[in-house]
Amino acid sequence: EDKVVQSPLSLVVHEGDTVTLNCSYEVTNFRSLLWYKQEKKAPTFLFMLTSSGIEKKSGRLSSILDKKELFSILNITATQTGDSAIYLCAVLLIQGAQKLVFGQGTRLTINP
Amino acid sequence: GAVVSQHPSWVICKSGTSVKIECRSLDFQATTMFWYRQFPKQSLMLMATSNEGSKATYEQGVEKDKFLINHASLTLSTLTVTSAHPEDSSFYICSATRFDWNSRPGSSTEAFFGQGTRLTVV
Repeated sequence: EDKVVQSPLSLVVHEGDTVTLNCSYEVTNFRSLLWYKQEKKAPTFLFMLTSSGIEKKSGRLSSILDKKELFSILNITATQTGDSAIYLCAVLLIQGAQKLVFGQGTRLTINP
Repeated sequence: GAVVSQHPSWVICKSGTSVKIECRSLDFQATTMFWYRQFPKQSLMLMATSNEGSKATYEQGVEKDKFLINHASLTLSTLTVTSAHPEDSSFYICSATRFDWNSRPGSSTEAFFGQGTRLTVV
């Protein structure tokens, strides 16, 4: 069974702190790993990682994938209250058909 | 980025009626669309994978006779919740991937989400 596990499930920090969110996976036919941010409605895309060891960066957010150890991390530096959200990790599998499987999500709360 | 439109964004229906939710890819062809259900404070649970021109693939525990999925064209998939009951009340989200089957392994594929549909069954 394909599995995507995120940790921690919940995290509360103060504004300005740096956080690291984890995503590990056990799947067959891995193609890509994606990170999303969900606030009120549908998730919004953050990163897609396909190759190991290449950091993707967008402002204060960055992410990297380790295909040998089967995990990814999402870093947020100098956190702001607007970063409060659920962060979702998903793995795209392809073998003939496609399948996009999500982890449980990490609920991040940034306190002022 | 690509646009996926989901309709309606919210619906209230009476118990026993059926509700149809549409998911359209507006500017790309989506051979595969995914349907998810999300309960409050929980992650997205994959219900089924919808493939254009063929039957949907349902995840374990999802009743295919209750959640009918049709992927009639490369830009439209529909989810019909039949004989809805209050326990079917949830947030339903579709996703479509834009993928080039001729691309090399490691090339990019991205999943785009609809806005979601909040279903309330009374």
